[in-house]
Amino acid sequence: EVKLLESGGGLVQPGGSMRLSCAASGFTFTDFYMYWIRQPAGKAPEWLGFIRNKANGYTTEYNPSVKGRFTISRDNTQNMLYLQMNTLRAEDTATYYCARAQLTHVMDAWGQGASVTVSS
Amino acid sequence: DIVLTQSPALAVSLGQRATISCRASQSVSTSSYNLMHWYQQKPGEQPKLLIYDASNLASGIPVRFSGSGSGTDFTLTINPVQADDIATYYCQQSRELPLTFGSGTKLEIK
Repeated sequence: EVKLLESGGGLVQPGGSMRLSCAASGFTFTDFYMYWIRQPAGKAPEWLGFIRNKANGYTTEYNPSVKGRFTISRDNTQNMLYLQMNTLRAEDTATYYCARAQLTHVMDAWGQGASVTVSS
Repeated sequence: DIVLTQSPALAVSLGQRATISCRASQSVSTSSYNLMHWYQQKPGEQPKLLIYDASNLASGIPVRFSGSGSGTDFTLTINPVQADDIATYYCQQSRELPLTFGSGTKLEIK
């Protein structure tokens, strides 16, 4: 069974940093692109970025809305995905999901989400 | 960015057909694929893939869900609607980066 489990959310002050983790299991982690998506309460999801699979050199792509502040990485020995978020703003408050995707960026498995609140 | 436009809400009677539309600001089709996908999200849950590449049913999804469309106009159909289908439905394009989602259509029961 494919499982994705986010952790590391919580309350952070504006300007602060936070790292989210996503533990993956039930599939060959290195075969898949891995994604981060966020969703403010009551709003649509927003794609943040992805990291490619082994065959594509683990390179990354980001939404321009977060490029330069957010960094995606992966530890393939531990089947872990990470999202490092810096210079956080109130508008970064959201539930953050990790997901994996098949060909054509179809996100076929999602974690349960981690809540991030940016507030003083 | 490709903007995806959805109607905010749709009210349907149980057992009837629901048709949810998604219009893209530019074509999301290639010569090989129609790069539009549909997700269902129930309150407090993560999104769940229903349909990929416009018309392909994701694994484990009931056959009462179907998708169609190409270019800029796409449709998700639920027939017949069941009580368990009450949720918000999002379209998502993967024709180009950044990947974008529609604003969602909330399915309600009449």
